[in-house]
Amino acid sequence: AQSVTQPDIHITVSEGASLELRCNYSYGATPYLFWYVQSPGQGLQLLLKYFSGDTLVQGIKGFEAEFKRSQSSFNLRKPSVHWSDAAEYFCAVALRNSSYKLIFGSGTRLLVRP
Amino acid sequence: SQTIHQWPATLVQPVGSPLSLECTVEGTSNPNLYWYRQAAGRGLQLLFYSVGIGQISSEVPQNLSASRPQDRQFILSSKKLLLSDSGFYLCAWRPIPGLPIPYNEQFFGPGTRLTVL
Repeated sequence: AQSVTQPDIHITVSEGASLELRCNYSYGATPYLFWYVQSPGQGLQLLLKYFSGDTLVQGIKGFEAEFKRSQSSFNLRKPSVHWSDAAEYFCAVALRNSSYKLIFGSGTRLLVRP
Repeated sequence: SQTIHQWPATLVQPVGSPLSLECTVEGTSNPNLYWYRQAAGRGLQLLFYSVGIGQISSEVPQNLSASRPQDRQFILSSKKLLLSDSGFYLCAWRPIPGLPIPYNEQFFGPGTRLTVL
């Protein structure tokens, strides 16, 4: 069965430090890959996505992610974290079929130290 | 432009009471529609999806049901709520191919927070 793993439940970084959030997926083929961010009590905002082509994708708010087929990974990175980046981050895959259902990881909560 | 609405934003219901959550999409036709649930401290789980009026697919066995009475309306219901139904419910839509927006991307509504006491 398809699955998405985000091994870090919580991550704390200092403001201005770099960030990497891990995401691994299990799927027979390359799915569509997404990172979403959720602020407390809010819906989901799409940060970036990968469908095909260049494996390094740029998103909003200074985030980027790199797709590594050999590792079945799609890690999210940001070179310098801002206090406003504190939120919960979800990695998701969409199956390349007619339903395009999203399968989410369990999320990583990011805390930012001043 | 396209927008998605969810109603109500928050809801507190007693155990055993019925439930009806509504999701509507504006500015598009024949979207795929999805209901997700986020339980406290957990990720999002797909509950139902629909590719057209009256067409509902259920992903997990549960106490809930979904209906799509109109093209851009998706309703999540329960006859008798359980404590375990508490959570944050998100509706999402996906456009059909051929529109000037990505058809393989889902767009989420603001969510409904349901507390069952």
